[in-house]
Order: sequence, then structure tokens, then C-alpha cells
Amino acid sequence: EDQVTQSPEALRLQEGESSSLNCSYTVSGLRGLFWYRQDPGKGPEFLFTLYSAGEEKEKERLKATLTKKESFLHITAPKPEDSATYLCAVIGSGYSTLTFGKGTMLLVSP
Amino acid sequence: DAGITQSPRYKITETGRQVTLMCHQTWSHSYMFWYRQDLGHGLRLIYYSAAADITDKGEVPDGYVVSRSKTENFPLTLESATRSQTSVYFCASSISGRGTDTQYFGPGTRLTVL
Repeated sequence: EDQVTQSPEALRLQEGESSSLNCSYTVSGLRGLFWYRQDPGKGPEFLFTLYSAGEEKEKERLKATLTKKESFLHITAPKPEDSATYLCAVIGSGYSTLTFGKGTMLLVSP
Repeated sequence: DAGITQSPRYKITETGRQVTLMCHQTWSHSYMFWYRQDLGHGLRLIYYSAAADITDKGEVPDGYVVSRSKTENFPLTLESATRSQTSVYFCASSISGRGTDTQYFGPGTRLTVL
């Protein structure tokens, strides 16, 4: 059974204070790891897909990295508009469905 | 480009009533999914569909029924609503089910069962 654990559950940062969110996973034959952003009252919004260990992807102040056991979402010099819940999900071999973690709620204060 | 829409956005119903949540996508994606999101549990898959007339159970299917007569629509029915089905429901779609295809989510339906 695929498992995804995200930490911390909640994170409060000052504007400009860089940090990282963690996503640890257990999956048989990783086919893809997905990061989503979810704003209150809205559906998850796709950010990145990572497919193999060592892969990195960037978008504005966000950078996602992947190892064989975990993924990090690095946030550099965050702004208040980066406040959201960040969700991690994986899909393993032989499946068509994602397994989600419970998310990290990020609050960036001005 | 409407993308993926859900209706209603908010619904209040009573225990024992039948409720249908609608999902419509304009991308002609093959796969569609229904999730529920609850505090402490995250997103959990209820049902998914690989194509019209092909559906399969997810992690938490009990108490729910789905159908997919047209590629673009994937309604979710609660045949006899219970308080434990109070949740936020999200529909999603992807081009295929290869696993590496991104799932795109709708805006959600907040359902309250009294």
C-alpha cells in the first residue's frame, strides 16, 4: 500500500524567510510524485511532477526535488501570496490513482 | 476554456435523502475521479472512471454510486446520505490513467448532511 507523509503539518514564516516542506513516501515502483497547491475554498492546483530521483523543477519561488524516499518543496523568499496548503501525491507501478498526503499548511506573514 | 466544473458548489441535505453531485469537463479527458477531503484525512479517492461506462472503486466507495454515460460527465450519487458523508467533494480529470498524467481538479462541492 502506498503511503505519503508530509511534514510539518503547519508552517508559519515571515516574508522573505526561506524554508522547505517535506514529503516522505513509500511506494512500489514510483511512477510519479506530484505537488499541488490548494487555496482555501478551492480545488488543488497542479505545481510539479517529478519522475525520478535527482530530478528538480522550479517555478518562481518554488523548487521541488526528489530522492528515492522523499521530496522537498523549497520556498525561497516567500511572499504572503504563497500562503496555501501544499499537497504531495504519489502514484506507483500498476496503478492509475494517486495517494495523497495530508498536506502542509503554509502561512507567510508580511 | 471552462475546464472542469462542479455543481452545486454548496449543498445542505438531510439524513436519508438522495443527493447527486455533478462534474463536467470540457477537455475530453479519458479519466475522471471523485475525491472527498476531510480534516485529518486529506484527499481520499471514492471512485474513478477510465472511460464512458467503465468505473472502478477507490479507497472509500461505500455509500456512493457513480455512472458515466458520456465522456464529459461523471455524476456522484449518495443514495441515502449519512452525517459521515459531510465533506468537501472534488472531481478531477486526466488525459489518461498512465499515472504520469496530471490530474486537474474542479472547484469542489461542500456537502453538509444534517
